Amino acid sequence: GAVVSQHPSWVICKSGTSVKIECRSLDFQATTMFWYRQFPKQSLMLMATSNEGSKATYEQGVEKDKFLINHASLTLSTLTVTSAHPEDSSFYICSAPLTSGSPRETQYFGPGTRLLVL
Amino acid sequence: AQKITQTQPGMFVQEKEAVTLDCTYDTSDPSYGLFWYKQPSSGEMIFLIYQGSYDQQNATEGRYSLNFQKARKSANLVISASQLGDSAMYFCAMRGGRRALTFGSGTRLQVQP
Repeated sequence: GAVVSQHPSWVICKSGTSVKIECRSLDFQATTMFWYRQFPKQSLMLMATSNEGSKATYEQGVEKDKFLINHASLTLSTLTVTSAHPEDSSFYICSAPLTSGSPRETQYFGPGTRLLVL
Repeated sequence: AQKITQTQPGMFVQEKEAVTLDCTYDTSDPSYGLFWYKQPSSGEMIFLIYQGSYDQQNATEGRYSLNFQKARKSANLVISASQLGDSAMYFCAMRGGRRALTFGSGTRLQVQP
């Protein structure tokens, strides 16, 4: 089946540093990918939609200058958390749809990245 | 706007018994899809089952079935013959006009031996 990978799976960083998270579709092309954030014991909340070759679309309340998204190819999207602070500590998970346009379209999720900002 | 409601924060079930996890939804989209995902402690999201708004029959996938009642806007997940490995968080999700999924708050299922 379709596989989506994320790297790194775990990252611990100091406050004020930037962290880049990669999301790759391994055996299919994804013109669109989604980035979600999940705080402990909470649900997944959509942060932004990553579009290959164009600017990302951010959800209301998500700072685009803080969470930089780049979709440089049909198989790779990156999320950079700039000047990370402890409140950015969370589980970040990406997803990519396998086919387009149908409500039946299945989304495949990456394994997630746990970010801890000290 | 879309909304998914899961009213059961936690559920217990005995091994080998069936359990129903509740999900209600609200949307103005005429065509939509409903999904259930399992999230074990590792964090990965595992796709379980899909139901389309125009599907005539309830979806089934092995031990998972979806009790879809369109008029009541409910899409409950039924797990038959529960196994210890079924212990996890379960999320109901919807996709309508947007391709991104809207998730409910989740239900933590614990299967007891």
